[in-house]
Amino acid sequence: GNSVTQMEGPVTLSEEAFLTINCTYTATGYPSLFWYVQYPGEGLQLLLKATKADDKGSNKGFEATYRKETTSFHLEKGSVQVSDSAVYFCAVMDSSYKLIFGSGTRLLVRP
Amino acid sequence: DTAVSQTPKYLVTQMGNDKSIKCEQNLGHDTMYWYKQDSKKFLKIMFSYNNKELIINETVPNRFSPKSPDKAHLNLHINSLELGDSAVYFCASSQEGQGVRYSPLHFGNGTRLTVT
Repeated sequence: GNSVTQMEGPVTLSEEAFLTINCTYTATGYPSLFWYVQYPGEGLQLLLKATKADDKGSNKGFEATYRKETTSFHLEKGSVQVSDSAVYFCAVMDSSYKLIFGSGTRLLVRP
Repeated sequence: DTAVSQTPKYLVTQMGNDKSIKCEQNLGHDTMYWYKQDSKKFLKIMFSYNNKELIINETVPNRFSPKSPDKAHLNLHINSLELGDSAVYFCASSQEGQGVRYSPLHFGNGTRLTVT
């Protein structure tokens, strides 16, 4: 079945640092890929998505590119802010529209 | 005007009890889900309902029984609670069945269940 592997956290950065959170997936065909973000005490929110190879999803300064050849969907941001501190989940949607999440990566941004 | 709302937010109970968690969405979505998030933040789907019909039922003990009285509500009833049931339970909804390749999930804020 489909699965998602994310880098373990926590990732601790200073404000304005560059962020990369790695995500790789295993899936048949061409699944849709997602990043969700969970702020403390809240549910998950969709951050960005990509539905086909070489698509780049972007939102709030975050970007991720669907790389079919490396089965990856790494999340990047050029300059993080304290308000970006949260848990980030990579996810893949299978052919039955079931969303499979990675284990989550906690990001801590210090002033 | 919360899109997906769950009650209660916190639930503390003893082993062996029966409890329910309620979920309602006002987005007009036709599919609803229950996810379980363990202490390590790992998120796993439990159930999915589409227009009140069960479409996903993962390997979940039959002590867990979802009920969908209408497509805006999906409640989760848990019998004979065990220590291992302690987790955060998230309800979510999405709109499917329109030929789109995906539909983002909208999550509630979670119910933290603690079994003592």
